[in-house]
Amino acid sequence: SQTIHQWPATLVQPVGSPLSLECTVEGTSNPNLYWYRQAAGRGLQLLFYSVGIGQISSEVPQNLSASRPQDRQFILSSKKLLLSDSGFYLCAWSVWGIMNTEAFFGQGTRLTVV
Amino acid sequence: AQSVSQHNHHVILSEAASLELGCNYSYGGTVNLFWYVQYPGQHLQLLLKYFSGDPLVKGIKGFEAEFIKSKFSFNLRKPSVQWSDTAEYFCAVNLGSASKIIFGSGTRLSIRP
Repeated sequence: SQTIHQWPATLVQPVGSPLSLECTVEGTSNPNLYWYRQAAGRGLQLLFYSVGIGQISSEVPQNLSASRPQDRQFILSSKKLLLSDSGFYLCAWSVWGIMNTEAFFGQGTRLTVV
Repeated sequence: AQSVSQHNHHVILSEAASLELGCNYSYGGTVNLFWYVQYPGQHLQLLLKYFSGDPLVKGIKGFEAEFIKSKFSFNLRKPSVQWSDTAEYFCAVNLGSASKIIFGSGTRLSIRP
């Protein structure tokens, strides 16, 4: 069966520090991968998505970047965090093609920038 | 630009009342449609999904939704709500050709016992 791992669960970082959130998927090949940010009253905002290794689509220009160095690994990064980067970040995967699926979510990371 | 709209931000109902939450999307291509629920303090879970076939889909906990292609809508319904349905509900659309999944802003449902 497929599983998705996202870590860390919580993170407190000072302004100006770098960020690296990691997400890995097991049990499926060539998934679509997504990073979302969830904020109260704004639903889930799609930040980045990837349909393959090295292929990243950015939805919202901001202080963050994403990379997909391996088929089932998706990383969210920042070189210098801002206070406005605080939030709840969710990684997700889906499959589109012969068999389509919904988005399956990781447990999320609560990021607080201080 | 592609978008998903949930026009009801907060709905308050009494137990046993009927529920309908609106969801509209803007995208001209093939879509898959979903409703997710997030109970207080919990993670997102899938209520139901539409991929193809019968536009009336049934999900867990007595929920159903109807895909009306001509109206670009996928409204969620439940004939009789319970206090335990208190949660936030999110509509989502998979824009197939682009492999994007975008979410609406959510509707908070409060049920008075």
